[in-house]
Amino acid sequence: GAVVSQHPSRVICKSGTSVKIECRSLDFQATTMFWYRQFPKQSLMLMATSNEGSKATYEQGVEKDKFLINHASLTLSTLTVTSAHPEDSSFYICSAYPTREKTQYFGPGTRLLVL
Amino acid sequence: GQQVMQIPQYQHVQEGEDFTTYCNSSTTLSNIQWYKQRPGGHPVFLIQLVKSGEVKKQKRLTFQFGEAKKNSSLHITATQTTDVGTYFCAANLGEGTSGTYKYIFGTGTRLKVLA
Repeated sequence: GAVVSQHPSRVICKSGTSVKIECRSLDFQATTMFWYRQFPKQSLMLMATSNEGSKATYEQGVEKDKFLINHASLTLSTLTVTSAHPEDSSFYICSAYPTREKTQYFGPGTRLLVL
Repeated sequence: GQQVMQIPQYQHVQEGEDFTTYCNSSTTLSNIQWYKQRPGGHPVFLIQLVKSGEVKKQKRLTFQFGEAKKNSSLHITATQTTDVGTYFCAANLGEGTSGTYKYIFGTGTRLKVLA
């Protein structure tokens, strides 16, 4: 099946710094990728839809200036958490759709801890 | 906003017992997917249901889509310790303007299997 990778898998940073998370589709092209956030023992919450070559679409309540998304190529989307605070500590997961498929494939996730 | 509820929230069963989780939406769905997430892992796609009343089986797992396409269920026969994890349904509300499919995840059911 299709493979999606994320980097880094785990990151610890100080409050106020910015963290960039990469999501790559390794063996397929993805016009669209999604970014989710999952707090402990909770469900996945869709944050935004990342569209290659255009602006991301953010879900209600998600600050676009805080969570910057760049989808510069058909295989890479990045999520930058700017001026991270402890409440941003979470599990961030991306997913990607191969072209003409209706199944999304998830990356392994990135655990962010902001001290 | 759109919510997708799952019941029960938690379920502890003895190995060998059956298990069922139910997924309910307030609106009619285009299709529904089911995922399994092991502790510390990322969601893994299990199946997609599209047609009204559809029933699909995967070994000991039986998936059903309601006639009104507003609810779904996942039934596991004779649970094993390897079935431990959280099961999420993900509801597709329809094709978005970008031609992609946005999914809203259910609240999840955490299954523990006692040996």
